[in-house]
Amino acid sequence: DIQMTQSPSTLSASVGDRVTITCRASQSIAGWLAWYQQRPGKAPNLLIYKASSLESGVPSRFSGSGSGTEFTLTISSLQPDDFATYYCQQYSSFSRSFGQGTKVEIK
Amino acid sequence: EVQLVESGGGLVQPGGSLRLSCAASGFTFKDYWMSWVRQAPGKGLEWVANTKQDGSEQYSVDSVKGRFTISRDNANNSLFLQMNSLRAEDTAVYYCARDVTNWGSLYYFDQWGQGTLVTVSS
Repeated sequence: DIQMTQSPSTLSASVGDRVTITCRASQSIAGWLAWYQQRPGKAPNLLIYKASSLESGVPSRFSGSGSGTEFTLTISSLQPDDFATYYCQQYSSFSRSFGQGTKVEIK
Repeated sequence: EVQLVESGGGLVQPGGSLRLSCAASGFTFKDYWMSWVRQAPGKGLEWVANTKQDGSEQYSVDSVKGRFTISRDNANNSLFLQMNSLRAEDTAVYYCARDVTNWGSLYYFDQWGQGTLVTVSS
């Protein structure tokens, strides 16, 4: 099974900050990676697919990059709505797996 | 507007059974693979099971094989998860999610329900 590891686990930032979250795969997954945002008590919401493609309706301050085993999610200017937990998910193998999550907190 | 509405969660004793339902609307249900994804309290996300458009194929994570069964009713736009022999470690919010696929490959989840909480405890 492919293991996904996110870093950091928690990130403290201020409104307006540029934020970067890293996701590493235990083996190459090419570009088969998605990112989700989950606000407290809510369902996950798809942000990015195929490593860098922005889902319809998602603000352009969110961007994704990477391939192979290392990927990043960047929020160019953090907004109050962005304080949430972010998950990466690989779909290179049939048994799809998620990272453990990165919580973005208010500094 | 796509809507996925789960129901059927609750408190059950270890070894007990529960059946979750997911009512879908706003899209052509029979055209999509569908999944259940769970999240234990304070933990991350775990894919549990999925089923092909016509229900002819089902797959599940090893930890629930032989205990959980996914099924669907395309006539009524509904997805189900029959959970038997429940364990404390099955305690989680269970989400119904729509799969994005391409040429038979399963990709990511583009629509999620609000979730239903299953608590396994004596």
